[in-house]
Amino acid sequence: AQSVAQPEDQVNVAEGNPLTVKCTYSVSGNPYLFWYVQYPNRGLQFLLKYITGDNLVKGSYGFEAEFNKSQTSFHLKKPSALVSDSALYFCAVEDGGATNKLIFGTGTLLAVQP
Amino acid sequence: GAVVSQHPSRVICKSGTSVKIECRSLDFQATTMFWYRQFPKQSLMLMATSNEGSKATYEQGVEKDKFLINHASLTLSTLTVTSAHPEDSSFYICSAMSIGTTGELFFGEGSRLTVL
Repeated sequence: AQSVAQPEDQVNVAEGNPLTVKCTYSVSGNPYLFWYVQYPNRGLQFLLKYITGDNLVKGSYGFEAEFNKSQTSFHLKKPSALVSDSALYFCAVEDGGATNKLIFGTGTLLAVQP
Repeated sequence: GAVVSQHPSRVICKSGTSVKIECRSLDFQATTMFWYRQFPKQSLMLMATSNEGSKATYEQGVEKDKFLINHASLTLSTLTVTSAHPEDSSFYICSAMSIGTTGELFFGEGSRLTVL
């Protein structure tokens, strides 16, 4: 079965510093990988996705993620964090057995300190 | 980008009553919509896949008679929590995929249900 793991419940970073939110995956076949962000009491917003092609994927709000097949990772990164980036981030993988059915990781709370 | 609207955003009801939550795709058509449930500080749990014009597909452990899903048109899916109990209190989120796209789902803003 497809799955993703987010090993960190929370990531703390100072404003202006680079940030990384980790995600590893386990899939059979080629993975479709996604990152979403959730602000308090809100739905999820799409950040970026990897389907195929370039391993470095650029997304919304200056975020990017690198697909690493050998390490089965898809870490989310941003060169310079903003306080407004503070939110809950979810990594997700598409379940290959059903169209667009996403399996979510447990989420990582990003806290950016001023 | 595409917009998915959920209504109501918050609802409080008494135990034993039924509550309907609507999920609408405002500027696109969606043959498939998904319903998720999210507990505090936890991930999203997929409850069911809603297909326009056919029966919903429920995930293991989700009671289909408890959580009724209807996908009557290409822009509307509804989730009805029947005979609600306090343990049904949760944040319910729907998502939809635009016809002709690959991979990207658009999420509603969520509906917070509180059962007294």
